[in-house]
Amino acid sequence: GQQLNQSPQSMFIQEGEDVSMNCTSSSIFNTWLWYKQDPGEGPVLLIALYKAGELTSNGRLTAQFGITRKDSFLNISASIPSDVGIYFCAGHGSSNTGKLIFGQGTTLQVKP
Amino acid sequence: KAGVTQTPRYLIKTRGQQVTLSCSPISGHRSVSWYQQTPGQGLQFLFEYFSETQRNKGNFPGRFSGRQFSNSRSEMNVSTLELGDSALYLCASSLVRGSGSYEQYFGPGTRLTVT
Repeated sequence: GQQLNQSPQSMFIQEGEDVSMNCTSSSIFNTWLWYKQDPGEGPVLLIALYKAGELTSNGRLTAQFGITRKDSFLNISASIPSDVGIYFCAGHGSSNTGKLIFGQGTTLQVKP
Repeated sequence: KAGVTQTPRYLIKTRGQQVTLSCSPISGHRSVSWYQQTPGQGLQFLFEYFSETQRNKGNFPGRFSGRQFSNSRSEMNVSTLELGDSALYLCASSLVRGSGSYEQYFGPGTRLTVT
């Protein structure tokens, strides 16, 4: 099935470090969503982006909607052990569909 | 406000059997989408229901079906189960705000194991 290109695939960092991950697509999206998934649970919505160029923060998380509408990135500042999990980007095309296209996910591990 | 709920959380079935999964969306959300998550294929869209009608469908065989009730609750059914159907099945409910902004919230999922 269709997927976005998300990178990196995995990251192993020291507590306190900053993290950056990104997603690219060959298609334009109207909305970019970022999720975090813990083992055995469903994805939890972290940040939603609606306009090209938009920069949005949620605590230590910052995400941007690329100006071409084909990419987005997520930054996590000053990582802590509870940031461990899998982060997914998702693109949404139009208001008359509930279909999201997902990236492959970035697995984040944080060393205390 | 309660989140998206899914039942059951875990299920073990045998090849050839059928299974029905249930989802209750967030109150006020009329759109319910279903996804299959596997280690190899990631999160793949199955179908979406809006106001009791299937609005979109992913690229899955006809063994996968669903429906939505008047209270927006949704069920998905998989018939003639295959080993490859083992996966985490996620339900999500969506909201389009008056400003046009879109949000989709996921339930905890149903872990289906086919033996």
